Order: sequence, then C-alpha cells, then structure tokens
Amino acid sequence: EPEVTQTPSHQVTQMGQEVILRCVPISNHLYFYWYRQILGQKVEFLVSFYNNEISEKSEIFDDQFSVERPDGSNFTLKIRSTKLEDSAMYFCASSEAGVFDTGELFFGEGSRLTVL
Amino acid sequence: LAKTTQPISMDSYEGQEVNITCSHNNIATNDYITWYQQFPSQGPRFIIQGYKTKVTNEVASLFIPADRKSSTLSLPRVSLSDTAVYYCLVGPPGSARQLTFGSGTQLTVLP
Repeated sequence: EPEVTQTPSHQVTQMGQEVILRCVPISNHLYFYWYRQILGQKVEFLVSFYNNEISEKSEIFDDQFSVERPDGSNFTLKIRSTKLEDSAMYFCASSEAGVFDTGELFFGEGSRLTVL
Repeated sequence: LAKTTQPISMDSYEGQEVNITCSHNNIATNDYITWYQQFPSQGPRFIIQGYKTKVTNEVASLFIPADRKSSTLSLPRVSLSDTAVYYCLVGPPGSARQLTFGSGTQLTVLP
C-alpha cells in the first residue's frame, strides 16, 4: 500500500535554529498538507498546498513557517527560528483530490520536533 | 466552523459492536462528516465519510439522521487493535483549514 513518508522521525534542535521537515507524499497525489500535534493535544491544521502554491493556512502558520515542493517528490516544512512552543509532532498528509472530494487524507508517521 | 462534541472515552470488550456518537448541531448544508482513527505516535487514518443516511465500508458504518445534527460511527466486533482515539470532523468540501480535529474519543477495547 502506498504511504506518505516523513524524515526525520525525531529532531532535537536549539531555540532559534532553523528546521526543515521533509515529506514524500504518495506519488499520484496532488494536494499536500502539514498538521501538527502538541503532546496530548489536538491535531491542528497548518497549511495546504496545491499546484505549487499555498491553498489555505491557519493562524499558526505565520512568517516563521514556509512550505516548498522543491522537486517532483518532496514536500518540505521549514521553521525559520524555532521556539520552545514549536515542539510537537508534525504530520504531513496528501490526498488525490481536494480534502472533502474524497474525504481521505493519507497521513505520514510524523516527525517529532523537540526544541530546547 | 461546525463544532463537534464526542464522549471523551469509551470502554468495550473484544467482539462487541461499538457505537461512537458525535454531536454537530451547527452543521452547515454543504458540510460532510468524516471519521479518523489515531494510534499513539502515529498519524490519523481515515475511516469513513458521509453526508446523509448510512454509509458502510469494510471497516465501519456511519449513521447520519435526517437532521444531520449528529452522527454515529459503528465498529462491528472490535478487537484489541481497535484501541485508539477516534475523531469526528465536520466541514465543507475542499477546505482543509476547516477540517478541525477535536479532542476525539479514546476507545479502549478490553480482553
């Protein structure tokens, strides 16, 4: 079964450092997403991406965050200057069609970011 | 955004049918209802989606009454591996921003 893969599985960084989280979506999918989940809290939407541009973003996704699809397979989330409160599990997801056209987002296993 | 309310937790025994109800009183006309499952330290996994009446797939059924103000996820004959958090999401087509995960229901299946 095709799956979304994310790297690294766990990253520890110092406050103020830049972090790039990488994702390889399912190959024929056209829509890409980042979500995050702070430990013990809800899964929160960050951003959606289609046709090489951001479709939607949440209030969390401020100027410190950016996304990119640098080539035909990778989808990245960059946090420019990490804060302690950025510590969370970050999930990448992809879908073949728009989110409620089929309802099915395929999530990766997540990248755990720890900011010290 | 449609707000959803689910029980915080439920316990069941192996082999039983489990029904998890979600309340969404302010659901909009074009909103769909989608359920996801999440195991610890894993990404959510799609279970089922519906708009009205009943939808069934190989893992679950979704019952939606005519007024659509609630929905019930039905898991037939649960096993220990069904222990997870179950989320009910309500939102319009094409908007991931409005695909809001609530607190979910922690289902614990006991032997």
